Amino acid sequence: NAGVTQTPKFRVLKTGQSMTLLCAQDMNHEYMYWYRQDPGMGLRLIHYSVGEGTTAKGEVPDGYNVSRLKKQNFLLGLESAAPSQTSVYFCASSYDSRKFGGGVVRSNQPQHFGDGTRLSIL
Amino acid sequence: AQSVTQLDSHVSVSEGTPVLLRCNYSSSYSPSLFWYVQHPNKGLQLLLKYTSAATLVKGINGFEAEFKKSETSFHLTKPSAHMSDAAEYFCVVRDNYGQNFVFGPGTRLSVLP
Repeated sequence: NAGVTQTPKFRVLKTGQSMTLLCAQDMNHEYMYWYRQDPGMGLRLIHYSVGEGTTAKGEVPDGYNVSRLKKQNFLLGLESAAPSQTSVYFCASSYDSRKFGGGVVRSNQPQHFGDGTRLSIL
Repeated sequence: AQSVTQLDSHVSVSEGTPVLLRCNYSSSYSPSLFWYVQHPNKGLQLLLKYTSAATLVKGINGFEAEFKKSETSFHLTKPSAHMSDAAEYFCVVRDNYGQNFVFGPGTRLSVLP
């Protein structure tokens, strides 16, 4: 059971280059998220998705784009990388807590995280 | 809107002594509450989660947390710290009818020999 898989694990880019980070989950989760983690800043939400074909902005969306063409995949793109985007990026997924299954709300559903992608931009 | 406060940015304990990491939350609805641990250069791992079935929640590695609605708190404890507990700990709240999780700023736990 792979859970949440992020690729690549490490990458070094030059300013102005573009790249795509891939997140894949095999738990049939409706929700997926991209965070960045910087020293002293905690986790900050970049973008998220509540279902296939839908995305929404988080706290720090500028300079990033995302796509969710398939339920299991959530892509994070940097069109023109900047040194300020040097960070550790985490993907997470979770069930929609509002969904009803057999008349029961699936509450208390946590996020499941990938191992992160360390991105350095020179 | 939900928010999470972790009162201590850094806690230092000696090996074998108790651990207390404090978390207070605000939420308009009945919250879902979680604690995650992040070891250096690793991802976030779920320690425990609050379910309405019990106010005292047991998690992995001997950790537990107590939900106190009157104090809007969900403090994390462990009776005896191990060196391997040194890590960053995040308290998280989720509105049961919301789409997002709100993270606290984290508490770094150091365990001294």
